[in-house]
Amino acid sequence: QSVLTQPPSASGTPGQRVTISCSGSDSNIGGNYVYWYQQLPGTAPKLLIYPDNQRPSGVPDRFSGSKSGTSASLAISGLRSEDEADYYCAAWDDSVTGEVFGGGTRVTVL
Amino acid sequence: EVQLLESGGALVQPGGSLRISCAASGFSFTNFGMSWVRQAPGKGLEWVAALTGSGTRTYYADSVKGRFTISRDNSKNTLFLEMSSLRGEDTAVYYCTKRTRAEPGYGIDVWGQGTTVIVSS
Repeated sequence: QSVLTQPPSASGTPGQRVTISCSGSDSNIGGNYVYWYQQLPGTAPKLLIYPDNQRPSGVPDRFSGSKSGTSASLAISGLRSEDEADYYCAAWDDSVTGEVFGGGTRVTVL
Repeated sequence: EVQLLESGGALVQPGGSLRISCAASGFSFTNFGMSWVRQAPGKGLEWVAALTGSGTRTYYADSVKGRFTISRDNSKNTLFLEMSSLRGEDTAVYYCTKRTRAEPGYGIDVWGQGTTVIVSS
């Protein structure tokens, strides 16, 4: 059971907007930065969103992140077939003095 | 270009030991915290261990505390994970990761390609 809670799956048709939630607590999301990672099939994860909704070079602006209290969310607008992947949220947790991940959300493009 | 290249993954018997390494390049190694994250077959990501840029402070997941040791050689830009008393549940792809700052409270921005550790008799 992951410390951060994500829905196991999400789906949408091409062009739609998909939102993935990530729920935590005061010791992780509530007090620390949240990061989002994308893992395409058979590859290593890569950074998708970092604090204050910033994107690394090369990540399209269709991806956006937000945080409110002890929850965060990732939105994918204009869904494309190449967005089919697993998405993970992560944050440092002060109570366990370590990093915690969400269980991951598999996005399927219908 | 920032690169992380893991090596040393192998098939190990239960109770055995193994050291995996990560050669870093393309950034000022000493200025950034590093960590190991693993992924068991068909499962999600699990943080294993982290250490500060200087290597003086280390942090471990409860699942590996007392069995694994993270360390770094800043003169050789290399990160290590020494694993002992290995169990079947340690079977996973182990990713070397670079953190965004020297202190571990900030997240990961770069991932290696991973090295596979299989614990089986």
